[in-house]
Amino acid sequence: DVKVTQSSRYLVKRTGEKVFLECVQDMDHENMFWYRQDPGLGLRLIYFSYDVKMKEKGDIPEGYSVSREKKERFSLILESASTNQTSMYLCASSVQSSGANVLTFGAGSRLTVL
Amino acid sequence: GQNIDQPTEMTATEGAIVQINCTYQTSGFNGLFWYQQHAGEAPTFLSYNVLDGLEEKGRFSSFLSRSKGYSYLLLKELQMKDSASYLCAVRRDGGATNKLIFGTGTLLAVQP
Repeated sequence: DVKVTQSSRYLVKRTGEKVFLECVQDMDHENMFWYRQDPGLGLRLIYFSYDVKMKEKGDIPEGYSVSREKKERFSLILESASTNQTSMYLCASSVQSSGANVLTFGAGSRLTVL
Repeated sequence: GQNIDQPTEMTATEGAIVQINCTYQTSGFNGLFWYQQHAGEAPTFLSYNVLDGLEEKGRFSSFLSRSKGYSYLLLKELQMKDSASYLCAVRRDGGATNKLIFGTGTLLAVQP
């Protein structure tokens, strides 16, 4: 059974803290993505990666960075957390093809910044 | 830019049929996806359209008109477990990275 695993389901952090959200997939997928999901705004793409050490900005990269040192792992980093980064964060992965390459999502990490 | 519109909420009755519409405006369109998301869970894939027409998969069907920038998801023989959010997503720029832009989702409530 294919799986995307996010290390933390719930996190509570303080303003200014550095936050790491980890995502691991066991499907040998080339593409990995980080989205955040907020009521009324839907899922918005933060960053994605199509290969090890490669990354591209999504639609809302400000305040975030990412790391992909290994194919199976894609980390989202909040250098200095702020209250407006309180959200549900969803990691996803997909194969690299021009067909219907479906996203497989992790269960999500709900981050609260106080 | 891009814009994806779908109704915020819908209500339907168990056993009935419901149609969830999605309109989009985007450059470099290369496919439209529907995902289902139950409360507190990850989105899961339902359907994919890249050519005009209807794709049927059991109780679920999805339609696409590229010239009109329009899609719908049709759910037949509704069951209580179909209560969920339905997310319309457009793939842009084609190719390998499958970068999807999501609508805000339609929350469907199925009533007995």
